[in-house]
Amino acid sequence: QLDLVESGGGVVQPGGSLRLSCEAFGFTFSNYGMHWVRQAPGRGLEWVSFIKYDGSRKYFRESVRGRGSISRDNLQNTMSLQINNVIPEDTAVYFCARDVRAVMGISPYYYMDVWGKGATVIVSS
Amino acid sequence: SSELTQDPTASVALGQTVTITCQGDSLKIHYASWYQKKPGQAPILVLYAENSRPSGIPERFSGSASGDTASLTLTGAQAEDESVYYCSSRDTYSDDWLFGGGTRLTVL
Repeated sequence: QLDLVESGGGVVQPGGSLRLSCEAFGFTFSNYGMHWVRQAPGRGLEWVSFIKYDGSRKYFRESVRGRGSISRDNLQNTMSLQINNVIPEDTAVYFCARDVRAVMGISPYYYMDVWGKGATVIVSS
Repeated sequence: SSELTQDPTASVALGQTVTITCQGDSLKIHYASWYQKKPGQAPILVLYAENSRPSGIPERFSGSASGDTASLTLTGAQAEDESVYYCSSRDTYSDDWLFGGGTRLTVL
């Protein structure tokens, strides 16, 4: 059964670092890119970061760029996200999600088809 | 980066049809995907590549696209369809992924 399980959430002081992990089950993890998506309280979904299947490409949203790092271990089927110098606006439920990409005719398409249940991070002193 | 714009709310009578739209420059190039999100739950993919449904998603969900707008149509809405629906796509001008602000659907 396909599953993603996040861990590592909790309370983090402003200026500290948040560290999250995502473990994959039921599929060949090394074949897929992976995302982090977050949802702040009362807000919508917000894409945070992406790592390519082999770890060779990493992208971050602008508000996280320079503070964030993402990595993966394809032998352990895990992915990690770290955001440094956290601010209250980083308070959110963080979801990991599997990236799927294919081609229809000549047009590529992308979507996130498997999601974890999320890990809550609260930035507070 | 670009933006995806959705109406914040929509409503539909039980058993009737409703269409939720998503507008943005990225949709001229990239297909939208749609996600159903209920409180305390993980998002669920309901549509991708304009009008493809993952296994397990009811046929009452369908999609379409034209120009810079993608649409999700729910035909014969059920009570369990009450949720917030988000569209998403790759950004045309950066390496980012985009989400719309979400449409809260109420089934009356």
